[in-house]
Amino acid sequence: GDSVTQMEGPVTLSEEAFLTINCTYTATGYPSLFWYVQYPGEGLQLLLKATKADDKGSNKGFEATYRKETTSFHLEKGSVQVSDSAVYFCALSDRSGGSQGNLIFGKGTKLSVKP
Amino acid sequence: EAQVTQNPRYLITVTGKKLTVTCSQNMNHEYMSWYRQDPGLGLRQIYYSMNVEVTDKGDVPEGYKVSRKEKRNFPLILESPSPNQTSLYFCASSPNGQGRIGYEQYFGPGTRLTVT
Repeated sequence: GDSVTQMEGPVTLSEEAFLTINCTYTATGYPSLFWYVQYPGEGLQLLLKATKADDKGSNKGFEATYRKETTSFHLEKGSVQVSDSAVYFCALSDRSGGSQGNLIFGKGTKLSVKP
Repeated sequence: EAQVTQNPRYLITVTGKKLTVTCSQNMNHEYMSWYRQDPGLGLRQIYYSMNVEVTDKGDVPEGYKVSRKEKRNFPLILESPSPNQTSLYFCASSPNGQGRIGYEQYFGPGTRLTVT
């Protein structure tokens, strides 16, 4: 079945450091890919998405490129801020494989940014 | 304001006492879903609904029931809660009906349930 694997955390960085959170997926069809963010005490909210190969999603300085050849969707940010401290979830949505478009999540990566 | 609301936000209960967590969305979304979030396990889907009167099991449906009598509401029912259902629960909705993909899901603020 479809699955998402993302790097385990926690990840601790200093302010203005470069961030990469790795995400790879397995899917039977042509999925859409998402990054969701969960700030402390809140629900998840969409950070960015890409719906086809080579698409780049971007938002709030974060970027991720849909790489079909490596089945990856790594999240990057050039200069993190303390306010980026949160848990980040990679997810896919695939019509094939019986999932009917449901979101399949990775386990999440906790990011802590120190001043 | 477009939103998904859940009630209650926090609940402590005892084993076997039936409870319902309500979920409501005001965006006229077809798709709604319930997840539980546990440390080290991420989010796991409990049940989902593609539209009114259409519900399906997710990955971890045991011990839960749902109903979708109206488009806006999707309550989660625990008939006989047990301690292993202690978790953080999220409701979500999306325009994604009929298996269309690529649509964002909008999440509620979460319900923290403790079963003693």
